[in-house]
Amino acid sequence: AQSVTQPDIHITVSEGASLELRCNYSYGATPYLFWYVQSPGQGLQLLLKYFSGDTLVQGIKGFEAEFKRSQSSFNLRKPSVHWSDAAEYFCAVAASGGSYIPTFGRGTSLIVHP
Amino acid sequence: EPEVTQTPSHQVTQMGQEVILRCVPISNHLYFYWYRQILGQKVEFLVSFYNNEISEKSEIFDDQFSVERPDGSNFTLKIRSTKLEDSAMYFCASDPARPGTQYFGPGTRLTVL
Repeated sequence: AQSVTQPDIHITVSEGASLELRCNYSYGATPYLFWYVQSPGQGLQLLLKYFSGDTLVQGIKGFEAEFKRSQSSFNLRKPSVHWSDAAEYFCAVAASGGSYIPTFGRGTSLIVHP
Repeated sequence: EPEVTQTPSHQVTQMGQEVILRCVPISNHLYFYWYRQILGQKVEFLVSFYNNEISEKSEIFDDQFSVERPDGSNFTLKIRSTKLEDSAMYFCASDPARPGTQYFGPGTRLTVL
């Protein structure tokens, strides 16, 4: 079965600074990978996804992520963080040869200082 | 933009009572899901539903849980006899295809007293 590790429980950045949220996955083949964002009291919103092709994926709100097979990683990046980016970020992996049900990581809480 | 809706936003119930959580998926979507998120923990898959039947379920989805699509638009999750540990946020999601993109609703916060 697949699994996801988000090693950082909390990340604090200053507004305008760059951001990288880490995600490592475990899956035997090429996975399907997702990043979701959850604002307080809200549901999950898809930021971006990787199924195949270009390993650098562009998403909404200025986010991007890069699939690195050799490192089993799918880190999320943003060059300049806005205060409204403060939220919980979840990485998820789904089996490309299976049920496509995503397994979520525990999430990283992003705190943005003015 | 179409979205998944869920009602109620917050449900408080007594232990042992039955609850029904309701979801209206996006209209042309074919796959439907329920997830739960216990406070401070990760989102966990409960069940998926396709073509009017359960296609997959997790270990969490035991005999106390059931799902139904009673009228072609609503998608419900029933918990027959709630336990304290059922307190969580329950999310519905729908997907037009597989593999696809799951669109999540805003969730129902269930509090079992």
